[in-house]
Amino acid sequence: TQLLEQSPQFLSIQEGENLTVYCNSSSVFSSLQWYRQEPGEGPVLLVTVVTGGEVKKLKRLTFQFGDARKDSSLHITAAQPGDTGLYLCVRNQGGKLIFGQGTELSVKP
Amino acid sequence: NAGVTQTPKFRVLKTGQSMTLLCAQDMNHEYMYWYRQDPGMGLRLIHYSVGEGTTAKGEVPDGYNVSRLKKQNFLLGLESAAPSQTSVYFCASSYRYGLPYNEQFFGPGTRLTVL
Repeated sequence: TQLLEQSPQFLSIQEGENLTVYCNSSSVFSSLQWYRQEPGEGPVLLVTVVTGGEVKKLKRLTFQFGDARKDSSLHITAAQPGDTGLYLCVRNQGGKLIFGQGTELSVKP
Repeated sequence: NAGVTQTPKFRVLKTGQSMTLLCAQDMNHEYMYWYRQDPGMGLRLIHYSVGEGTTAKGEVPDGYNVSRLKKQNFLLGLESAAPSQTSVYFCASSYRYGLPYNEQFFGPGTRLTVL
């Protein structure tokens, strides 16, 4: 199992600030997904990136897949309290999902 | 359309007791999964099923058994609960398997405490 390392592990910011969270691996992966998990709920898929260098935008969220396909980042612009949650990067390994440990984001009003 | 549902939502067991967690999905998905989530460790796959009547081991299968007698249901059993099995358990289902755009749909979780 190839590990996914996420950083930072915890992040507490004020509403309106920008932030970036990272997902890194020592190995190349063919695709990567980001899920968000709100307190008391199961994870929900945000995006899938497949191509090295790919950038996808989802409203105020920007996802980037590294050129070498060994890392990914999630950037949130003007964070809102509704963005609070656990952000998980996930790789697909032979059909099974391998999860990073997550970045726990708290956005205070 | 309820998606993925799990019962119960909370449970407290004593060491050595047994229990079954039920997962149901109404999306006609072929593939179903059981995960556990522990602080700082993300989600780890316990068992999964690629179709009715089939099951396979995931990353952390020891101490758990599963059954998929009906396509829409996936049961997770603990025969003799141990404190190390205290965790939040998530069930998920998906339409595809093994492809980049495979999206898994998760239930709301079951919080299990073993004393």
